[in-house]
Amino acid sequence: EAQVTQNPRYLITVTGKKLTVTCSQNMNHEYMSWYRQDPGLGLRQIYYSMNVEVTDKGDVPEGYKVSRKEKRNFPLILESPSPNQTSLYFCASSLGQMNIQYFGAGTRLSVL
Amino acid sequence: ELKVEQNPLFLSMQEGKNYTIYCNYSTTSDRLYWYRQDPGKSLESLFVLLSNGAVKQEGRLMASLDTKARLSTLHITAAVHDLSATYFCVVDGHGGSQGNLIFGKGTKLSVKP
Repeated sequence: EAQVTQNPRYLITVTGKKLTVTCSQNMNHEYMSWYRQDPGLGLRQIYYSMNVEVTDKGDVPEGYKVSRKEKRNFPLILESPSPNQTSLYFCASSLGQMNIQYFGAGTRLSVL
Repeated sequence: ELKVEQNPLFLSMQEGKNYTIYCNYSTTSDRLYWYRQDPGKSLESLFVLLSNGAVKQEGRLMASLDTKARLSTLHITAAVHDLSATYFCVVDGHGGSQGNLIFGKGTKLSVKP
């Protein structure tokens, strides 16, 4: 089954404790992206990747890192999480940047 | 900076009625996407509009794109409860195919019997 898989689905952590949210897709998609969703603000793009080893900042990249070493994986790294990064995070992928995106189920992160 | 504005942000409709959601964006773009999000769920694609004058229809939903007016509409015909969801329009932030996607804030639709 074609899917985008995020892990974990729920995470509670403390300020400053490094964490990684994984994202994997099995559709051989070139384009992958991370978003955060906050009430009243909608979805905002954090980082995106056009292909392996190619990543670019979205609108809210501060405090986040990504890597794209393999086509199927696009992990989101929070080196030193802060409470303002408490949010619902979505990973998405598409065949190319002009194609429809397939979204993961989301990761709800709370930083205390 | 590209802005994507949806109107209305909240919409309460009765079943059987028609309504239109508007999406205005502030810079040139040849493509626009509509997504749906059910409460507590992820997003799913509804439409991709790739050129001026594009019109797509799926069931009770019809989307159109006017690139000259920088406007897309999502028209709902004879609403049913199953259409209750939040609808997002999305535009490429660089006015082309650069991958920086900007979401509108979403229109939360509630269809009541």
